[in-house]
Amino acid sequence: KQEVTQIPAALSVPEGENLVLNCSFTDSAIYNLQWFRQDPGKGLTSLLLIQSSQREQTSGRLNASLDKSSGRSTLYIAASQPGDSATYLCAVIGIRATDSWGKLQFGAGTQVVVTP
Amino acid sequence: SQTIHQWPATLVQPVGSPLSLECTVEGTSNPNLYWYRQAAGRGLQLLFYSVGIGQISSEVPQNLSASRPQDRQFILSSKKLLLSDSGFYLCAWRWNQGAEAFFGQGTRLTVV
Repeated sequence: KQEVTQIPAALSVPEGENLVLNCSFTDSAIYNLQWFRQDPGKGLTSLLLIQSSQREQTSGRLNASLDKSSGRSTLYIAASQPGDSATYLCAVIGIRATDSWGKLQFGAGTQVVVTP
Repeated sequence: SQTIHQWPATLVQPVGSPLSLECTVEGTSNPNLYWYRQAAGRGLQLLFYSVGIGQISSEVPQNLSASRPQDRQFILSSKKLLLSDSGFYLCAWRWNQGAEAFFGQGTRLTVV
């Protein structure tokens, strides 16, 4: 059974510092890995999708890497801003027959606070 | 472009009352549709998914049901709510199994 872990559970940094968020998964048989952002009381906003054949994806200040063999992904947010404060979730989609038509298996998230 | 709508945004219902949450996707056809629940302090749990009209699969046994009466409409229902049904319900869609997933803004359900 796939297990997704996010460390740390919470993170507080001063504005301007780079953020490094970690995600690990136990089963490397995945279609892709997706990073989301969730603001309090809101839905999930997709940040980046990394296909299993890719090593990284970039969008603006965000960069996500994927090492499928070691079961790890890292989300880097450069030059953090107070507006980056949110919970960040990673999720994987497995390719095994038991992985129910694209079910996203989520980590518990990392709560980020960027202080001015 | 594609958009996903969920309503209502918040709902307070008494125990034993019925429930109907609606999700609609615009700008696409034949999407895969999903209902997730996020309980306080817990991760997201997949409740139901659908790959086509009338095709519903349930991930976990529970007090809820889902229906897909139209291609881009997904409804979450209950005949009698329990206190344990409280939570944040999220609808999502994707093109296919390996594609990017997009979520709605969620419905906060409180059962009292």
